[in-house]
Amino acid sequence: GQQLNQSPQSMFIQEGEDVSMNCTSSSIFNTWLWYKQDPGEGPVLLIALYKAGELTSNGRLTAQFGITRKDSFLNISASIPSDVGIYFCAGPRDDKIIFGKGTRLHILP
Amino acid sequence: DTAVSQTPKYLVTQMGNDKSIKCEQNLGHDTMYWYKQDSKKFLKIMFSYNNKELIINETVPNRFSPKSPDKAHLNLHINSLELGDSAVYFCASSPRYFVMDTQYFGPGTRLTVL
Repeated sequence: GQQLNQSPQSMFIQEGEDVSMNCTSSSIFNTWLWYKQDPGEGPVLLIALYKAGELTSNGRLTAQFGITRKDSFLNISASIPSDVGIYFCAGPRDDKIIFGKGTRLHILP
Repeated sequence: DTAVSQTPKYLVTQMGNDKSIKCEQNLGHDTMYWYKQDSKKFLKIMFSYNNKELIINETVPNRFSPKSPDKAHLNLHINSLELGDSAVYFCASSPRYFVMDTQYFGPGTRLTVL
């Protein structure tokens, strides 16, 4: 079936560092979504991307829709403790949203 | 005010039992969903309903029976629970049955089958 591959699976960083993660697919997506799941909560939409090459920011978060339409990137600048959680990429496929397996972000004290 | 709420938050039960999870949204949305998140955090859609009508049934065993008494509620009943049903179940809603609409997730119900 369709898969979204996220990399890295986990990240351990120091507070204040910048973070980069990506999501790739073997097939084209016309929309890329980035969700964040806080521990013990449901996912929340952070950024939606609708056009190849699009770069969109939401505060310290910036996401890009890859030119090939087969990938997307999420960057977090100057990480803070509340950035801890799982970041999912997602995209529409056959009238439903499919999710990647997530990138777990840990911030070291 | 909670937009999408689920009860219970935690559910621990024995194999073979029947249990229900309730979901309510106060956003006035037309479409509601059930997702299952396994122990590896993989999130997969199970069902979607639009205006109380079943739209997507993602090859879920028929032990799982969703029910939507009105468009603000979508409940999930599970018969003959199995160990493999242990997971976190998320309810979500969106304004319309349109895949590009933002989905709003509830806080999840952690089901543990012993």
